[in-house]
Amino acid sequence: ETGVTQTPRHLVMGMTNKKSLKCEQHLGHNAMYWYKQSAKKPLELMFVYNFKEQTENNSVPSRFSPECPNSSHLFLHLHTLQPEDSALYLCASSQDRGYVYNEQFFGPGTRLTVL
Amino acid sequence: GQQLNQSPQSMFIQEGEDVSMNCTSSSIFNTWLWYKQEPGEGPVLLIALYKAGELTSNGRLTAQFGITRKDSFLNISASIPSDVGIYFCAGQSREFYFGTGTSLTVIP
Repeated sequence: ETGVTQTPRHLVMGMTNKKSLKCEQHLGHNAMYWYKQSAKKPLELMFVYNFKEQTENNSVPSRFSPECPNSSHLFLHLHTLQPEDSALYLCASSQDRGYVYNEQFFGPGTRLTVL
Repeated sequence: GQQLNQSPQSMFIQEGEDVSMNCTSSSIFNTWLWYKQEPGEGPVLLIALYKAGELTSNGRLTAQFGITRKDSFLNISASIPSDVGIYFCAGQSREFYFGTGTSLTVIP
């Protein structure tokens, strides 16, 4: 138990569906991250929020839309995805992007399959 | 983005053997982190290193922050079956960069 939870753990969706992934952290952190993990590839950073403000968008297609209503919650809204978007989506949190001791703690991930 | 070269890609070892893996980069990092990921789960932080030359242990795990700040290694002593998983290094300068992982299989 890392203090970061993600729901759902598994999601199967068609290319025309709209769904959302949810992440919640109970660590009192101020920074939250979305990563995509595909087989045989390093973790790909998608979005970063620090104190609820989006500070990074790593050229992610607009079919992925993040939302951070407060420092404890992070969403990833999905619409008209492609089969190549199938992957494990990981949420992480850390104290503060500007803080020296800034280890990231990960949730268990959502395994997404796009049909 | 920056590349972290992690090696080896995979290891098959007998229970009780020691394990060593490392990460190298062409860039300097301020922090090195080592994570373990088991099937169906997210990465779990094992060890964090903050100073060049720092050597830190966590049970049977030992990691070092290279003097040049461009590399780090992780050792696991006396491996056991539950050590199975994928081990990732991560380096932080302004951002985090992750290695491609070392897949460890321990044969009882």
